[in-house]
Amino acid sequence: GDSVTQMEGPVTLSEEAFLTINCTYTATGYPSLFWYVQYPGEGLQLLLKATKADDKGSNKGFEATYRKETTSFHLEKGSVQVSDSAVYFCALSDTIQGAQKLVFGQGTRLTINP
Amino acid sequence: DAGVIQSPRHEVTEMGQEVTLRCKPISGHDYLFWYRQTMMRGLELLIYFNNNVPIDDSGMPEDRFSAKMPNASFSTLKIQPSEPRDSAVYFCASSPSWRGTTDTQYFGPGTRLTVL
Repeated sequence: GDSVTQMEGPVTLSEEAFLTINCTYTATGYPSLFWYVQYPGEGLQLLLKATKADDKGSNKGFEATYRKETTSFHLEKGSVQVSDSAVYFCALSDTIQGAQKLVFGQGTRLTINP
Repeated sequence: DAGVIQSPRHEVTEMGQEVTLRCKPISGHDYLFWYRQTMMRGLELLIYFNNNVPIDDSGMPEDRFSAKMPNASFSTLKIQPSEPRDSAVYFCASSPSWRGTTDTQYFGPGTRLTVL
């Protein structure tokens, strides 16, 4: 079945460092790809998404490009802030019976130190 | 908009007791999803509804789990009897329709369940 593999954490960086969190997927068909973020004590929030190959999703300085040839959707940010500390989930959508069923990676915990 | 509302936020119960988790989706969203998050298994989809009708419950772990959506603004997830291995964070999410399928899912804050 469909699956998502994320870079294992935790990841600890200093403020203003460059961030990459790797995500690769296995899917039949052409899924949409997502990054969700979970701040402490909260539910998941959509960070960005891409619906087809070569699309770039971006939000709050984060970017990810849908790479069909490498089946990847790596998350990047040029200069992280302490407020970016959270758990990040890569996900794909598998349309089953009319609904986008999300398949999540295991999550990567990111800590940014001042 | 108030977003997806879940209650209670925390629940501690003893093994064998019945537990009921509640969710109010965003108004106008016609899809509702229940997820479970654990350290061992990550985020798992348990069941989802479309227009109050259960569509796919293949993720429900066993007969002890049941979910209902009596109307467009309310859903419950019930565990009876509860077991320690049910301890997890349970999330509800809702989504509007878009071109015949779902669009972005919006998650509630979750209910942290501890079964002693």
